[in-house]
Amino acid sequence: QSVLTQPPSASGTPGQRVTISCSGSGSNIGRNIVNWYQQLPGTAPKLLIYTDSQRPSGVPDRFSGSKSGTSASLAISGLQSEDEADYYCATWDDSLNGWVFGGGTKLTVL
Amino acid sequence: QVRLVQSGAEVKKPGASVKVSCKASGYTFRTSAMHWVRQAPGHSLEWMGWINLFNGNSKYAQGLQGRVSITRDTSANTVYMEMSRLTYEDTAMYYCAREQGSTWHEWFDPWGQGTLVIVS
Repeated sequence: QSVLTQPPSASGTPGQRVTISCSGSGSNIGRNIVNWYQQLPGTAPKLLIYTDSQRPSGVPDRFSGSKSGTSASLAISGLQSEDEADYYCATWDDSLNGWVFGGGTKLTVL
Repeated sequence: QVRLVQSGAEVKKPGASVKVSCKASGYTFRTSAMHWVRQAPGHSLEWMGWINLFNGNSKYAQGLQGRVSITRDTSANTVYMEMSRLTYEDTAMYYCAREQGSTWHEWFDPWGQGTLVIVS
């Protein structure tokens, strides 16, 4: 059972907007920044969003992140087939004194 | 560009130890920290620990304390993760990842390609 809760799956058709949630608590998301990672099938995770809402260079602006209280969200607009991947949120947990990840959300583009 | 290249797959027996390497290039090695994250088949990511590449201090996840050791060789720009007393549940892909950012605003980028460790 992951410390951060994500829906196990999400889906959308090309061009649609989808949102993936990440729910935590006051000892993690409520006090620390959230990062998001994209893991394409058979590859290593890749940084997608850092410090709640910042995009690394090279990441399309179709991807956006936000945080409110003890929850964070990743939004993907203009969905494309190449967005089909697993998405993970991550943050520092003050109680566990370590980094924690969400259970991951498998995004399917229909 | 920054690149992390890990050692090849390993097959170990229960009770044995494994040592995985992660060679960094494309940046000044001692200016950041390195983390290790593992992923069991079909499961999420699990943070294992990290090492300060400047002074060699390391810190580990509570559940792995005592079984994991992360070290570095600054002359070889390489970080090592050694895990002892392996069990079947340690079968996973093991990743190194460079820490970037500043205190309380860190993230992992890039990640190594992964090293598959099979306990069988």
